[in-house]
Amino acid sequence: ETGVTQSPTHLIKTRGQQVTLRCSSQSGHNTVSWYQQALGQGPQFIFQYYREEENGRGNFPPRFSGLQFPNYSSELNVNALELDDSALYLCASSQDLAGGRTDTQYFGPGTRLTVL
Amino acid sequence: GEDVEQSLFLSVREGDSSVINCTYTDSSSTYLYWYKQEPGAGLQLLTYIFSNMDMKQDQRLTVLLNKKDKHLSLRIADTQTGDSAIYFCAEMGDDYKLSFGAGTTVTVRA
Repeated sequence: ETGVTQSPTHLIKTRGQQVTLRCSSQSGHNTVSWYQQALGQGPQFIFQYYREEENGRGNFPPRFSGLQFPNYSSELNVNALELDDSALYLCASSQDLAGGRTDTQYFGPGTRLTVL
Repeated sequence: GEDVEQSLFLSVREGDSSVINCTYTDSSSTYLYWYKQEPGAGLQLLTYIFSNMDMKQDQRLTVLLNKKDKHLSLRIADTQTGDSAIYFCAEMGDDYKLSFGAGTTVTVRA
């Protein structure tokens, strides 16, 4: 059984640029959630994807967008990067449960994004 | 909205027990989780407890849940240097997302 993988490991961008981060879910999982973890803080929920559609969103602006593919892998796209977007971006995969809920989430190693 | 709070730092001697505390506000929480994060790494799931349970034990880990007070704790028995890390408490409500505390940095001293 393979775990959650993310790429790239590290990324440096400049303000105003766009970035795409990638995540492959753990085998057997069909749901992917993305979190942003700023330095010294706990992760904050960005959004979740299930069946290739956004299934819930946290308090992040529309320039944060995502995709999920038929193989359940996912991308997080951030446009018009700002300095405050510098953070560790974590992807978590899980299996959906009935009633719109998701089972235990397993995290990947994260992508460290630095915006200069 | 959900709010999860933890103390920020804990220092413990090697071989002693560590107790990390957490409070949450969402009364609809169904599962409560403990994750561990080592420097530069992602989150490792340590254990979780369903909201209708009071206690769960898993090897050196004991989770206690007081649902009335919305208080969760993690006890690590016989703490080792490899237990030095940041520990996050998280709750999942009647939906799909995890709400995390700010993390407790545990330092194990020889």
